[in-house]
Amino acid sequence: GAVVSQHPSWVICKSGTSVKIECRSLDFQATTMFWYRQFPKQSLMLMATSNEGSKATYEQGVEKDKFLINHASLTLSTLTVTSAHPEDSSFYICSANSLAGPTDTQYFGPGTRLTVL
Amino acid sequence: QQQVKQSPQSLIVQKGGISIINCAYENTAFDYFPWYQQFPGKGPALLIAIRPDVSEKKEGRFTISFNKSAKQFSLHIMDSQPGDSATYFCGVTSGSRLTFGEGTQLTVNP
Repeated sequence: GAVVSQHPSWVICKSGTSVKIECRSLDFQATTMFWYRQFPKQSLMLMATSNEGSKATYEQGVEKDKFLINHASLTLSTLTVTSAHPEDSSFYICSANSLAGPTDTQYFGPGTRLTVL
Repeated sequence: QQQVKQSPQSLIVQKGGISIINCAYENTAFDYFPWYQQFPGKGPALLIAIRPDVSEKKEGRFTISFNKSAKQFSLHIMDSQPGDSATYFCGVTSGSRLTFGEGTQLTVNP
């Protein structure tokens, strides 16, 4: 149980284009979904927290107009990287906590590797 | 300010040995302490977690030791196997907010 999927698993795009990444909780409803970014050989850094039907809360230093988050339902959140640039190349990972479980337990997706040329 | 400090940065252990990774935190508001395992190119997977009302939790070969007064906790991997070679992250949680340590790259030699 508690499976989180992400799509796509990897994407290559040209500089200036936008990329959408989907995060789904497959077998549970998520109260909150989280988006992290991980650069090579570094830890995961929280970018934003989103609750279904409300605006996302962004961490300090994360541009909300660049990283658009839409939390459409209790099982789906999307991250759109707008006007992507090479410095946005990273591993993007989402997580979710279960409506039925403790709110402090996060289940992570497999990640999406974004490469911006 | 770093919320949690993890050490060592890297660790090499022989097969069958014990791997020990440590984390220290400052904020006493943290109330949930998970450990995650991450393989290259994959998302982190929850390994084991502990709450501050217990001092130790064991699941199979994995044990968390928790010292509330010292604000430290550690992961012990008994009988380490080459398949355990991965990056391990400790975490500290307050409410639903999770902050990761810097990570420890574990290599278990056959």
